[in-house]
Amino acid sequence: NAGVTQTPKFQVLKTGQSMTLQCAQDMNHEYMSWYRQDPGMGLRLIHYSVGAGITDQGEVPNGYNVSRSTTEDFPLRLLSAAPSQTSVYFCASSSMNTEAFFGQGTRLTVV
Amino acid sequence: EDQVTQSPEALRLQEGESSSLNCSYTVSGLRGLFWYRQDPGKGPEFLFTLYSAGEEKEKERLKATLTKKESFLHITAPKPEDSATYLCAGGDSNYQLIWGAGTKLIIKP
Repeated sequence: NAGVTQTPKFQVLKTGQSMTLQCAQDMNHEYMSWYRQDPGMGLRLIHYSVGAGITDQGEVPNGYNVSRSTTEDFPLRLLSAAPSQTSVYFCASSSMNTEAFFGQGTRLTVV
Repeated sequence: EDQVTQSPEALRLQEGESSSLNCSYTVSGLRGLFWYRQDPGKGPEFLFTLYSAGEEKEKERLKATLTKKESFLHITAPKPEDSATYLCAGGDSNYQLIWGAGTKLIIKP
């Protein structure tokens, strides 16, 4: 039972580069979300999806894009990386109003 | 504005020394108060959900309680393996989670 799988675990980007963070879940959850976690701050919601084909912005969406073509996958795209996007990124999935299951995280450094 | 505040930011205890972590919340239409544990380099791991004031849940040395304004995570006779960051989050009326910044708990042997 894999749960929520995120790749890669670590990534270093140069300013201006683009990349995609992958997230897959095998629990048939309709709700998936992306968070960033910075020191001294709570998890902040970037984008979320309530089902395939449906996405919406969270608290800090600027500089990120998402899509949800299948129930299982919810990739996060950084369009043009900036140092302010240095953070740890977590993907989570859940059924509505139940506990969320998190991936192991991606530690991203933008130089 | 919905808000969740955790205190203290960090807590150092001796093994066996019981204490409590606080989570104060202002979340309109609260649809559950969630507690998670996060170990370094890992994603948050679910512990408890509380839905109504007066509700309590227990798991090993941990007990979570809920009032209309606060939730407490009580740790009884902690062990070094209980060292982690504990996060709480309130579910709002849109089923979004509003997160606190966490309490880093260190248990010294």
